[in-house]
Amino acid sequence: KQEVTQIPAALSVPEGENLVLNCSFTDSAIYNLQWFRQDPGKGLTSLLLIQSSQREQTSGRLNASLDKSSGRSTLYIAASQPGDSATYLCAGSGGTSYGKLTFGQGTILTVHP
Amino acid sequence: NAGVTQTPKFQVLKTGQSMTLQCAQDMNHEYMSWYRQDPGMGLRLIHYSVGAGITDQGEVPNGYNVSRSTTEDFPLRLLSAAPSQTSVYFCASLGQGLGEAFFGQGTRLTVV
Repeated sequence: KQEVTQIPAALSVPEGENLVLNCSFTDSAIYNLQWFRQDPGKGLTSLLLIQSSQREQTSGRLNASLDKSSGRSTLYIAASQPGDSATYLCAGSGGTSYGKLTFGQGTILTVHP
Repeated sequence: NAGVTQTPKFQVLKTGQSMTLQCAQDMNHEYMSWYRQDPGMGLRLIHYSVGAGITDQGEVPNGYNVSRSTTEDFPLRLLSAAPSQTSVYFCASLGQGLGEAFFGQGTRLTVV
């Protein structure tokens, strides 16, 4: 059974700082890993999707990496802004359960001016 | 394209009442699923479907029913609401190939 863990649970940083969010998973037979953003009281917005054959994906100030051998993914946010404040969730889609996502608990990010 | 549409956005039920949460997608995705999100528990899979006419249980299926008569729709039925079902419910659909998941805006359900 796939288990996903996110560290840290919460992070508070000053504006402009570069930061890294961590996601670890137990089943290396992962099909893809997806990072989401969730604002309070809102739905999930997809940020980046990394397929198992890829090592990383980039979108603007965001960069996500995937290392299947170590069971880890990281989300790097460059030059953080107050508007980046949200909960960040990672979810893995397993090789034998393609349509089922297993979520981490999320990291609550606060970027203060 | 509307993506994934969930209705209603908010609902209050009395214990023992039944209701259906609606979910529709217009992306012709085969895979659809329902999750509930509770504080400290993250998102947990309730039921999922790999295509019309095919459904299966997820991690927390008790108290919920689903059916998938069309590719577009995947309703979630609460048979007899209980306070433990107070939660935020999300519907998702996944495209083949990349397998990117798209989520609806959620339904905030309170059972009193």
